[in-house]
Amino acid sequence: QLQLQESGPGLVKPSETLSLTCTVSGGSISNSSFYWGWIRQPPGKGLEWIGNIYFVGNTEYNPSLRGRVTISVDTSKNHFSLKLDSVTATDTAIYFCAREYGATDFWGQGILVTVSS
Amino acid sequence: DIVMTQSPDSLAVSLGERATIKCKSSQSVLFRSNNKNYLAWYQQKSGQPPKLLIYWASIRESGVPDRFTGSGSGADFTLTISSLQAEDVAFYYCQQYYSTPFTFGQGTKLEIK
Repeated sequence: QLQLQESGPGLVKPSETLSLTCTVSGGSISNSSFYWGWIRQPPGKGLEWIGNIYFVGNTEYNPSLRGRVTISVDTSKNHFSLKLDSVTATDTAIYFCAREYGATDFWGQGILVTVSS
Repeated sequence: DIVMTQSPDSLAVSLGERATIKCKSSQSVLFRSNNKNYLAWYQQKSGQPPKLLIYWASIRESGVPDRFTGSGSGADFTLTISSLQAEDVAFYYCQQYYSTPFTFGQGTKLEIK
């Protein structure tokens, strides 16, 4: 069964870079049928799509993040990563990694990242 | 960006009764060349990630009970729960994956009356 697991710091200081990794198990990130995405959810609020990546490195990002986001993939480690620069308190959220097959059919459990000094 | 608007924001339904949630997109999410609506529904219970219920607007994901039904086309969609069970208490979100950035509705909170 496919599993996705987010990892990274749970606390990031304002103006610094948020860095998260999603490790995929039970399936290959190089499967050409799927994209791999990041979605976030501020506490008590709705879902925001951040962006996605294809195994060869093609990316799509949400313009609302104003060029602060980078998603990368490492097929040798079967994981993909998120970097969000210049964070502020409004970036505090649960960050989910997920598999996209059109719709998003598998999700990680999510990791809470708090932006605070 | 395609804006997704759900109604109502919250809903209280008696056990065994029908629950209906609407989702409207600011533009059509029907791709004419394959006649597919790029619309999904998710259920999110407290402290859990969202779970895919419906994709292509009306196809039930494997393992989803048949009391969940998705319908609609173009820009107007509906999620219907035919006979509400206690375990259906959750937030429900629609999402378009027709064009990036993929966007979600604001969510509908479903409770037991």
